[in-house]
Order: sequence, then structure tokens, then C-alpha cells
Amino acid sequence: QKEVEQNSGPLSVPEGAIASLNCTYSDRGSQSFFWYRQYSGKSPELIMSIYSNGDKEDGRFTAQLNKASQYVSLLIRDSQPSDSATYLCAVNIPNDYKLSFGAGTTVTVRA
Amino acid sequence: DTGVSQDPRHKITKRGQNVTFRCDPISEHNRLYWYRQTLGQGPEFLTYFQNEAQLEKSRLLSDRFSAERPKGSFSTLEIQRTEQGDSAMYLCASSGEWASEQFFGPGTRLTVL
Repeated sequence: QKEVEQNSGPLSVPEGAIASLNCTYSDRGSQSFFWYRQYSGKSPELIMSIYSNGDKEDGRFTAQLNKASQYVSLLIRDSQPSDSATYLCAVNIPNDYKLSFGAGTTVTVRA
Repeated sequence: DTGVSQDPRHKITKRGQNVTFRCDPISEHNRLYWYRQTLGQGPEFLTYFQNEAQLEKSRLLSDRFSAERPKGSFSTLEIQRTEQGDSAMYLCASSGEWASEQFFGPGTRLTVL
């Protein structure tokens, strides 16, 4: 079982719609959760971090965390063509500073 | 406020050659990480420094790989006797002492012919 799993893409959404991305993790001790955006040929860019259960909103992005279900999600509202990228879920556990990444979900926003 | 920088951005080498990559972290960050990413996969952890001390190495880091951070500032990653399987994007990230958020540099894309 992989440490971090993301729903397989690609995910195609129309412009203006909501894109919903899911991520599950295997280590119940995980306490820090991150979403990175990666454009083709570029490096990952941190867009959201979440540490406690519930929702965290930042502009058009909302991260949701449910530690009991070992589940973290990212919602992109009012999707724009510039949101077309691969979204990586990353997790770490206390006192272990490395990040464990999922394979990513590729999102395409069609005009 | 400059971000993480890496050099070179691209490297093409022949199998069996040695290569060295450099990473300069965000200036106030004392933690520095190296990851490797292949097509269609997320980044995989290679090694981690806190100041000049290398605190963790992945089993992915074979004896051909060595990393240093001699003065707790920039870091180098050397691959000896490169193999075609070493072809990947090598990513460097840094974080502050009390923060878990990691910020990545632009990466070095290695192609081994």
C-alpha cells in the first residue's frame, strides 16, 4: 500500500466549474498536509497547507481534512484555464521532516 | 526575498560520467531537502540536512550518490558513474526551523544517454 494515494486522473472540468481532488494516506500519525501545484516541466509550488480537521479556504482553493478517515481533499472553485496542472498531495508525520507525495492528479480546465 | 535556486537547470551526460548539482536555499531556512521526480510520479525523498548535518538518507540514495552542505548554506548532490535510470528531475526544497512547509527550487533535469 502506498503511503499517499490520489484519485487517478486526468480530471477534465469546464471553465467556471468546481474541481474536486482527493487524497488518502496510510499513516495515522500524519499531522501536516500539503497541496502543491505543478505545471508541466516545472517544479512543485505550494498552494495550501492544512493541519487540523475541517476546512481551510484561500481564495478559490479550499482544503478539507478528515483525520479519522485519513482523507484530505482540495476543491478549486470557479476553475480557470490557468488551473490546468498536476496537483500533488503531500504528507508528513511529526519529527520526520521528509514529505511523502502522491503521484498527482492532472487537471484540465476546458474553455 | 529570493526563493530556492538550483544550478544547472538541465544536464545531459553520458552513462558512466559524474555529475554535480547545486542548491541554494531560501536564506533564512536551515533545513534543506533533496527529492527526485520521474515522469508521472510524485517527488521521492532522497536526503535531508539541518544546517550542515545530514540527518536522513533514503534507501534510494545508493553509494553512487553523495550530498553535502558544508557550511549550512548551499548544498551539492553528486552522482558518480551515472546510469540511464538516474535520468530524472532533481528537486531541492528548503524550510524554516519551526515550519513544516517546504518550498521547492526550479529543479535540475538530468538526462543520461
